Amino acid sequence: EAAVTQSPRSKVAVTGGKVTLSCHQTNNHDYMYWYRQDTGHGLRLIHYSYVADSTEKGDIPDGYKASRPSQENFSLILELASLSQTAVYFCASSDAQSSYEQYFGPGTRLTVL
Amino acid sequence: AQKVTQTQTSISVMEKTTVTMDCVYETQDSSYFLFWYKQTASGEIVFLIRQDSYKKENATVGHYSLNFQKPKSSIGLIITATQIEDSAVYFCAMREETGFASALTFGSGTKVIVLP
Repeated sequence: EAAVTQSPRSKVAVTGGKVTLSCHQTNNHDYMYWYRQDTGHGLRLIHYSYVADSTEKGDIPDGYKASRPSQENFSLILELASLSQTAVYFCASSDAQSSYEQYFGPGTRLTVL
Repeated sequence: AQKVTQTQTSISVMEKTTVTMDCVYETQDSSYFLFWYKQTASGEIVFLIRQDSYKKENATVGHYSLNFQKPKSSIGLIITATQIEDSAVYFCAMREETGFASALTFGSGTKVIVLP
């Protein structure tokens, strides 16, 4: 069964610290995405990738970096975490065969103190 | 730039009745795709149904159907015979043909509460 997993599921970080969120998909999809969800709001695109070793900026990339070392793995990196980055982060994957319907991971709840 | 708007923040309905929620979108593309996703209380996000802009027929999947009014840039979601487990937040989303690698633009969501 196709799946997108994320780790950790929850994390508490200190302001100024480095945070890495990981995403792994077994869908064999080319496209992967990182979204951010703030309480009571929809999802906003941070970074995306359509091929390994390449990432692109989405709508709100400031303060975030991304890494796609393989087709299956996509990481989101916060080099200097800030209070404003407290949110739930979702990873998703898609491809043309699935008509670009996106399959989401379970999310990572990040709290920056 | 594309934009998706859901103005209804919360709707309460009685079990076994029909609920309708609205979504309007803005796009410059002639070809685009509209999606509805469901986010459960646990946070899980699940794809429900899709409408391609070039299709005139409204999409239907199970007890979910769409009311696509292209001239009004509107895509409503209709859930018939609602069940308690339909209680969730429903997000409308759009993908433009020329957008970021098929990324989605989401609305802010409509919370549906199904009452017994």
